Amino acid sequence: GAGVSQSPSNKVTEKGKDVELRCDPISGHTALYWYRQRLGQGLEFLIYFQGNSAPDKSGLPSDRFSAERTGESVSTLTIQRTQQEDSAVYLCASSLATGVGNTIYFGEGSWLTVV
Amino acid sequence: GENVEQHPSTLSVQEGDSAVIKCTYSDSASNYFPWYKQELGKRPQLIIDIRSNVGEKKDQRIAVTLNKTAKHFSLHITETQPEDSAVYFCAAAGGTRYGKLTFGQGTILTVHP
Repeated sequence: GAGVSQSPSNKVTEKGKDVELRCDPISGHTALYWYRQRLGQGLEFLIYFQGNSAPDKSGLPSDRFSAERTGESVSTLTIQRTQQEDSAVYLCASSLATGVGNTIYFGEGSWLTVV
Repeated sequence: GENVEQHPSTLSVQEGDSAVIKCTYSDSASNYFPWYKQELGKRPQLIIDIRSNVGEKKDQRIAVTLNKTAKHFSLHITETQPEDSAVYFCAAAGGTRYGKLTFGQGTILTVHP
């Protein structure tokens, strides 16, 4: 596709429910990233995938958060037992590779509201 | 890990003036420094980046400078226009963290006509 595609664009869920957020990276991009942006804040790194290497999960805030990626395509970020503090925009990004200087392109984000 | 501090948090200028946003980083292994512009409700978009082997890079009205010794880098926007109004984020990556951008907290730039 032309850019990084994310769905849903908006999600309102009740506290305690599980949510799944989907990301379709730019075709051919081997690296895929998830970031979180709370209202008025900067972007927090969550996890990244590079090809078939083990993902770097060092940014995941708790074991309620997990992500998977199928090969070099779609990724799903799952948040279990959602809490109000999980409310944020979840941004997916991709790049051709993860060498220095590979431009990272962001999707429009999935706005999650936990009520 | 890396820590990126960004200042100021808000910046208000008149159209035609220059705007400067500054960032400092903590990890001397960082070697890639992109700047992103984010309009309200939109995705962050890369506007310029610099690698640690150069000290300055320019693209029309936008320039970035890097001081590796002091571990700081700056974004300069000249002849500002109202459409430059947005949130600007600096970031750093490199070393063993080349896949993980560490972002500053952002600067809200407002350009008054």
